[in-house]
Amino acid sequence: DGGITQSPKYLFRKEGQNVTLSCEQNLNHDAMYWYRQDPGQGLRLIYYSQIVNDFQKGDIAEGYSVSREKKESFPLTVTSAQKNPTAFYLCASSLNKNSNQPQHFGDGTRLSIL
Amino acid sequence: AQSVSQHNHHVILSEAASLELGCNYSYGGTVNLFWYVQYPGQHLQLLLKYFSGDPLVKGIKGFEAEFIKSKFSFNLRKPSVQWSDTAEYFCAVNSGGYQKVTFGIGTKLQVIP
Repeated sequence: DGGITQSPKYLFRKEGQNVTLSCEQNLNHDAMYWYRQDPGQGLRLIYYSQIVNDFQKGDIAEGYSVSREKKESFPLTVTSAQKNPTAFYLCASSLNKNSNQPQHFGDGTRLSIL
Repeated sequence: AQSVSQHNHHVILSEAASLELGCNYSYGGTVNLFWYVQYPGQHLQLLLKYFSGDPLVKGIKGFEAEFIKSKFSFNLRKPSVQWSDTAEYFCAVNSGGYQKVTFGIGTKLQVIP
């Protein structure tokens, strides 16, 4: 089955550490996205990539970094500069950058600070 | 900038009741509108979408939504809810020529048997 795989499902981080969340898709989609979901705030866009080797900041990019070296992979690094990293992180993809394309979501990674 | 408002944050209904979840957006130009649903323990999935044509859009599981341009609204409806409709529902809007979607804060629907 085609889909989006996020790993790990749960992740714990110590203060001052960087952590990387994995997102892989086998849908052959061009565009990929990272969102953060907090209670009462819905989904907020962190970074997005419309094509390999290109990515753009979303609304809350500070303290995060991404790479898009391969079409199927879009890892997110939560750096020590992110002051409030505890959240549920969702990765998504869409066929292309056209605005009428729906997004397909992974199951998410829940990050907690120890 | 585009924004989305969902007015009902938590809705509790009995089975067979009718449902309407409000969604309003702020962008005045051409928009694409979506409703996504997240069932307990599952990933977010598309319920329905509008980008042109008939403003009354039908989605999966008997849901529909009506785009009313003059009211900047895209309300979600279902005539008769089931216990299995218990989930969180997100309205989303995309304006302009690129794929930057803005989501509402979500509405949690609880259907009581």
